[in-house]
Amino acid sequence: QVQLQESGPGLVKPSETLSLICTVSRGSIRSYYWSWVRQAAGKGLEWIGRISTSGRVDYNPSLETRVTMAIDTSKNQVSLNVNSVNVADAAMYFCARVFYNGYESHFDYWGQGTPVAVSS
Amino acid sequence: DTQMTQSPSSLSASVGDRVTITCRASQPVSNYVSWYQQKSGKAPKVLIYAASTLQSGVPLRFRGSRSGTDFTLTINNLQPEDFATYFCQQTYNLPWTFGQGTKVEF
Repeated sequence: QVQLQESGPGLVKPSETLSLICTVSRGSIRSYYWSWVRQAAGKGLEWIGRISTSGRVDYNPSLETRVTMAIDTSKNQVSLNVNSVNVADAAMYFCARVFYNGYESHFDYWGQGTPVAVSS
Repeated sequence: DTQMTQSPSSLSASVGDRVTITCRASQPVSNYVSWYQQKSGKAPKVLIYAASTLQSGVPLRFRGSRSGTDFTLTINNLQPEDFATYFCQQTYNLPWTFGQGTKVEF
């Protein structure tokens, strides 16, 4: 079955840019939307945004000015950049596949997540 | 944004109990609501989508229902492996939003 694996630096300094990669294996990245979701320690889930295989993006307005998502179909990878990070960006970051069945969407596969700490 | 007000935030239950968790949407979301189970340190797992459709492989004791903008997840005959945190999510309006979560514990 499809597998998603997030990777990232683990630790980012305040005001710097966080860059994460989600690598999709055992399945094609094509024909799906892909999302990023984050979860601060002990908190709920926050949707960051989604990207299609054509590169169309929708971002959460709460993060829109600082977030960029991209897709590389040749590598089966989705990336997330968050610039000007601050301590509020410290969280576990998950990538997830968006399954669209013709009328509604939900996340059918998730990666295990990659932790991000923000500290100088 | 569409607020998904989930209740309760936590509950205590025993094996064999019936558990009910509710999410209320702040605006119409049709039936575009999913329920996820998350165990400590793990990624969420989808249980229910389209308000009441059981994801393949999920036990039949999990049931989802809808009444207007109120959505309910019911777990019948609670099993030890069901002790976890549950989230609802709406994907009708952007940005997609989640409920705050319900922790089911002993």
